[in-house]
Amino acid sequence: VQLVESGGDLVQPGRSLRLSCAASGLTFDDFAMHWVRQAPGKGLEWVSGISWNSDTKTYADSVKGRFIISRDNAKNSLYLQMNSLTAEDVALYYCAKDRAAGYAGNFDGFDIWGQGTMVTVSS
Amino acid sequence: SYVLAQPPSVSVAPGKTARITCGGDNIGSKSVYWYQQKAGQAPVLVIYYDRDRPSGVPERFSGSNSGNTATLTISRAEAGDEADYFCQVWDNSREGVFGGGTKLTVL
Repeated sequence: VQLVESGGDLVQPGRSLRLSCAASGLTFDDFAMHWVRQAPGKGLEWVSGISWNSDTKTYADSVKGRFIISRDNAKNSLYLQMNSLTAEDVALYYCAKDRAAGYAGNFDGFDIWGQGTMVTVSS
Repeated sequence: SYVLAQPPSVSVAPGKTARITCGGDNIGSKSVYWYQQKAGQAPVLVIYYDRDRPSGVPERFSGSNSGNTATLTISRAEAGDEADYFCQVWDNSREGVFGGGTKLTVL
C-alpha cells in the first residue's frame, strides 16, 4: 500500500494550489481519505476528510470556505484544492488513509500515510 | 472547538515504563488514536479505539481512556521508541483534533 502526494510548491499569498495523492496497493474506493498538515517544527493538524463515495466532506475551521477536498475513485486519486493561501498554510501536507473500510457516519484513525508534499506561501 | 492537551515532553530510562497523557473534556466518551512520529518520517498509527494495536506494533504499546484522560503506555522503553507522540479524536462535527504532541526521550 502506498500513497504519493504531489503538487506542493512555492506560491504567493492569495494564490491557489492543487494537491494530488495517488494511491496504490489498496481498494481505494473502500476507504475514506484525509489530508493532514504539519507546519515546520510544529504538530499535526487535520485539514479535511472525505468518505469513500464523496457524500461526506468535512473541513477544519482554519480552511473552511477556502479548501475543497475531492476524489476520483476511477483514478485512485485524492485531491485538495487550496484557494486564498496565506502564510498560515505553510506546511507539509500528508495524504492519509482511513483505517476502516466503508463509512458508517464516523471517520476512523489514519493507518497509512504518504511522505507529504511541501506548500510554501511567500511573496 | 474540542481541545486535547499533552505534556510537551516525557523522559524515561531504558527498560522502564513511559506514560503519555492526553487530556480532553469527557474524552472517555470518544475513541482515541495515538500516532508515533520519528524525526523526518511520516506518522505511524500505534493505537486505535483507545487500546487496540495495529498489526506490527509491539505489545509494549498499550492504551487506556477514562474520564478526562487518555494514556499511552510504553513498557520496557527502548532507544528506538524516541519520537513525538500525538493523540487524536473526532469531535462532534466529525472534525479531526490532534493533541499538541509529546516528545519522548529515552535516556
